[in-house]
Amino acid sequence: QKEVEQNSGPLSVPEGAIASLNCTYSDRVSQSFFWYRQYSGKSPELIMSIYSNGDKEDGRFTAQLNKASQYVSLLIRDSQPSDSATYLCAVNGDHGNNRLAFGKGNQVVVIP
Amino acid sequence: EAGVVQSPRYKIIEKKQPVAFWCNPISGHNTLYWYRQNLGQGPELLIRYENEEAVDDSQLPKDRFSAERLKGVDSTLKIQPAELGDSAVYLCASSLGQGVYEQFFGPGTRLTVL
Repeated sequence: QKEVEQNSGPLSVPEGAIASLNCTYSDRVSQSFFWYRQYSGKSPELIMSIYSNGDKEDGRFTAQLNKASQYVSLLIRDSQPSDSATYLCAVNGDHGNNRLAFGKGNQVVVIP
Repeated sequence: EAGVVQSPRYKIIEKKQPVAFWCNPISGHNTLYWYRQNLGQGPELLIRYENEEAVDDSQLPKDRFSAERLKGVDSTLKIQPAELGDSAVYLCASSLGQGVYEQFFGPGTRLTVL
């Protein structure tokens, strides 16, 4: 089992709709969780970090964490064409080794 | 605040040639990371530095890859000799350290080995 899994294929959403991305992880001791946005040909850009169970909101983005289910998600409200990108889930396990494990990413296409 | 700086942005070399990448982290960031990203995949850690010390290099192919971070600031990643399978984007990232784990990436170097 891969450390971080993002299984959904490309996600197409109409402009103004909600995009929902999911991520599961295998290491139960994981303590930090991040979402990165990566535009084609660019490097990953940190958009959200979450450390405790529940929801964290930042503008149009909401991250949700459920450690018991080893599950983290990202919601993008009022999706805009500029949100079209690949979204990478990253999980930091034991803070002693501070190693981020990345998923393969989910491509989001917002249709005007 | 300036972000992570990397150079060169692009590099094309023939196999068996050496290549080097340079990274300057965000000012004040003690932790520096080198990642490799293949097409359609997430970044994979090659090496992590805490100040001058390489504290996690378990995924660095040491037969051909080497890295250094002199004086705990800039870092250089070298490949010698390069192989076709080394074609990828090499990303440098930094974080503040001291219990702060958000990592910020530089623009990357796209390496093509012919």
